[in-house]
Amino acid sequence: EVQLVESGGGLVQPGRSLKLSCLASGFTFSNYGMNWIRQAPGKGLEWVASISSSSSYIYYADTVKGRFTISRDNAKNTLYLQMTSLRSEDTALYYCARHLYGYNYFDYWGQGVMVTVSS
Amino acid sequence: EIVLTQSPTTIAASPGEKVTITCRASSSVSYMYWYQQKSGASPKLWIYDTSKLASGVPNRFSGSGSGTSYSLTINTMETEDAATYYCQQWSSTPPMYTFGAGTKLELK
Repeated sequence: EVQLVESGGGLVQPGRSLKLSCLASGFTFSNYGMNWIRQAPGKGLEWVASISSSSSYIYYADTVKGRFTISRDNAKNTLYLQMTSLRSEDTALYYCARHLYGYNYFDYWGQGVMVTVSS
Repeated sequence: EIVLTQSPTTIAASPGEKVTITCRASSSVSYMYWYQQKSGASPKLWIYDTSKLASGVPNRFSGSGSGTSYSLTINTMETEDAATYYCQQWSSTPPMYTFGAGTKLELK
């Protein structure tokens, strides 16, 4: 069974940093591209960042470029999102989701982890 | 940057009713993808490559479209279909994924 389990969320002050993790199981992690997608409370879905299976290709939404860094450790089956210079508008439920190379959709999603940026 | 506009924003339908949700892209796209999200749950892939149903999706659902206009249709509404539906596309220039704002489908 495919499982994606996010962790690392919490309450953080504006300007501070936080690192999210997503532990994958039930599939060959190194064969899949991985993504972070967020959803502000009561709002829609917003793609945040993507990383290819071997980390060769990395893309970011303009809203987080220069502040967030996506990375992965295929030996640990884990995806990361390092978030710095956090703003109140980064408050959201952060999902990790996978995609297969060449297929531009997200076929499995985690349950999400909440990040609240507030003083 | 391609913008996806979904309509309607909210729709209420009775069991047995036919429902159509539209997603319009600001520029032509090759495929459209759809997700279903129920309250308090993660989104689920619902339709991929414009018209292919994801695993477990009932065949009362269908997807169609091309170019800048795509749609998700429920042939006969059932109570379990009440949810928010999002369309999504990928563009390579610049490389990014985009979601529509969502359509909330309620039970009448």
